[in-house]
Amino acid sequence: EVQLLESGGGLVQPGGSLRLSCAASGFTFSSYAMSWVRQAPGKGLEWVSVVSGSGGTTYYADSVKGRFTISRDNSKNTLYLQMNSLRADDTAVYFCAKSQGMIGRWTSDYWGQGTLVTVSS
Amino acid sequence: DIVMTQSPDSLAVSLGERATISCKSSQSVLYSSNNKNYLAWFQHKPGQPPKLLIYWASTRESGVPDRFSGSGSGTDFTLTISRLQAEDVAVYYCQQYYSTPQTFGQGTKVEIK
Repeated sequence: EVQLLESGGGLVQPGGSLRLSCAASGFTFSSYAMSWVRQAPGKGLEWVSVVSGSGGTTYYADSVKGRFTISRDNSKNTLYLQMNSLRADDTAVYFCAKSQGMIGRWTSDYWGQGTLVTVSS
Repeated sequence: DIVMTQSPDSLAVSLGERATISCKSSQSVLYSSNNKNYLAWFQHKPGQPPKLLIYWASTRESGVPDRFSGSGSGTDFTLTISRLQAEDVAVYYCQQYYSTPQTFGQGTKVEIK
């Protein structure tokens, strides 16, 4: 059974940093791209970033480019999102999601429960 | 970026009746080399993660009831719930994965009339 468990969310001041983790199990982690998708309070889903199965290819939404870094440790079956220079509009539930493929044009077939990030002074 | 626009924003349907949601993309998500539409539909209930219902515009994900169906090609797509059940109350999103950034529609809230 595929399981994705996010952690690391919390309250942070504007300009601060936070690192989210997503522990994966139930599938061959290195064979699939992984993504982060967020949902701000009362809003819809927003794709944030994706990393290929090997970790060598990454893409970001313009809204987070230069501030967020996605990475993965395939030896630990864990996905990360390092978030720096956080702003109030980064407040959201952050979901990690498993892609249907290793790289390229695939949607996400499994999602974690999400972790809440609140940016406020 | 490809803009995804859903309609309506919300709809109320009687139990056992049909619900239809439209999704339009600002450019085609049909890849000519394999004739596949890179369009997915998700169901999202409060406090739960989004659930993949449909991919390639019309392929039902394993375990999804057959009352859910997807259709369309190019820029115009439809999600149909043939006989609405109480457990289908949720927000539904279309998503294109033809190009990065992947983009979602704004969501359609389905309720019971």
